[in-house]
Amino acid sequence: ETGVTQSPTHLIKTRGQQVTLRCSSQSGHNTVSWYQQALGQGPQFIFQYYREEENGRGNFPPRFSGLQFPNYSSELNVNALELDDSALYLCAGLNRGRVTNTEAFFGQGTRLTVV
Amino acid sequence: GQQLNQSPQSMFIQEGEDVSMNCTSSSIFNTWLWYKQDPGEGPVLLIALYKAGELTSNGRLTAQFGITRKDSFLNISASIPSDVGIYFCAGHLGQGGSEKLVFGKGTKLTVNP
Repeated sequence: ETGVTQSPTHLIKTRGQQVTLRCSSQSGHNTVSWYQQALGQGPQFIFQYYREEENGRGNFPPRFSGLQFPNYSSELNVNALELDDSALYLCAGLNRGRVTNTEAFFGQGTRLTVV
Repeated sequence: GQQLNQSPQSMFIQEGEDVSMNCTSSSIFNTWLWYKQDPGEGPVLLIALYKAGELTSNGRLTAQFGITRKDSFLNISASIPSDVGIYFCAGHLGQGGSEKLVFGKGTKLTVNP
């Protein structure tokens, strides 16, 4: 039990559409990060939110955006979906500020398929 | 960008055997973490390493943070069928306040009963 829950677990969208993925993290996880995991690859960092502001971003275009809410929940939004966006999207919560603040705990992921 | 080279890509072993996998980087990391991922699930943290040279155990798992801070290894002793899965190493740099993790491509472990 990681204390991080993602919804939905699976999603099918059409190219060009927009999608919103959701993440709920337990209290104490003041930082949330989103990762994209293509089939057969390791997770790739998309961005991170701390205190409801983005404070780190990987090599992803602006059509990937996010939000973090005061109740530790978070959203990942992707506009103008492309076929290559098909992947497992992972949300990770962690408690920044503790000595062991790099121990990120992942949700089960949302499998997005773009057709 | 930063990349981690994880090896081997896959391993097929018999139950009871020991396993060793490693991860190297061209960049220095301040923290190394090892995760296990089962099909359809998110990665689960196994071990976190915070100091160069640190050797840490978690049950049958042992991991070490390389002295150069550019590598780490994970050993699994006396493997059992539930060890099957994909093992990922991840490095953390922590620059600029970002908690970004850089992951390897994974080692797929198959354990034959």
